Amino acid sequence: AQTVTQSQPEMSVQEAETVTLSCTYDTSESDYYLFWYKQPPSRQMILVIRQEAYKQQNATENRFSVNFQKAAKSFSLKISDSQLGDAAMYFCAYRSVEEGGSQGNLIFGKGTKLSVKP
Amino acid sequence: EAGVTQFPSHSVIEKGQTVTLRCDPISGHDNLYWYRRVMGKEIKFLLHFVKESKQDESGMPNNRFLAERTGGTYSTLKVQPAELEDSGVYFCASSPRRWDTEAFFGQGTRLTVV
Repeated sequence: AQTVTQSQPEMSVQEAETVTLSCTYDTSESDYYLFWYKQPPSRQMILVIRQEAYKQQNATENRFSVNFQKAAKSFSLKISDSQLGDAAMYFCAYRSVEEGGSQGNLIFGKGTKLSVKP
Repeated sequence: EAGVTQFPSHSVIEKGQTVTLRCDPISGHDNLYWYRRVMGKEIKFLLHFVKESKQDESGMPNNRFLAERTGGTYSTLKVQPAELEDSGVYFCASSPRRWDTEAFFGQGTRLTVV
């Protein structure tokens, strides 16, 4: 079974600085998707960024980028020029694409609570 | 376009009572998922509907949980009777097609069983 591990329960960053959130996962599958979701205090989870395992190029969305290391099964999220609005819980998630896999269901880590200091 | 909405946002019930959570997915989304996050733990998959049919209910913890999706529109998740360990945040998500890479989440229902 696939697992997702986020080893940082809490992180803090100064406004305008850069922070990296860690995520590792375990799977025997060769193709899958990885996601970072953000859950602000209002509690609605929003997709921040996604990565397709067969793509070597790291995904980027504005100030958010990932460092995807497939061999190491690592998928970290870098937030550049941090803003107060980035304060939230961040969840790393895995999704299988293979037949017999989790069939589209997301497997989450425990989350990392990010605080942004003004 | 309205997003995924969940009702209620917060529910406090006594052990042994019944609670029904509701999820209205985005209109036209065939896929509806229920997840749960117990405090301090991972968000766990509960079940997946495709239209009105249960595609996968392998994550349902026990037979005290009953999910339905009437006519392939909104879904309800009933807990009867509720136990203390059922406390947590229940999330609903929807997507248009099974293999869509983005699922849209609701705000969640925080259930507290006392």
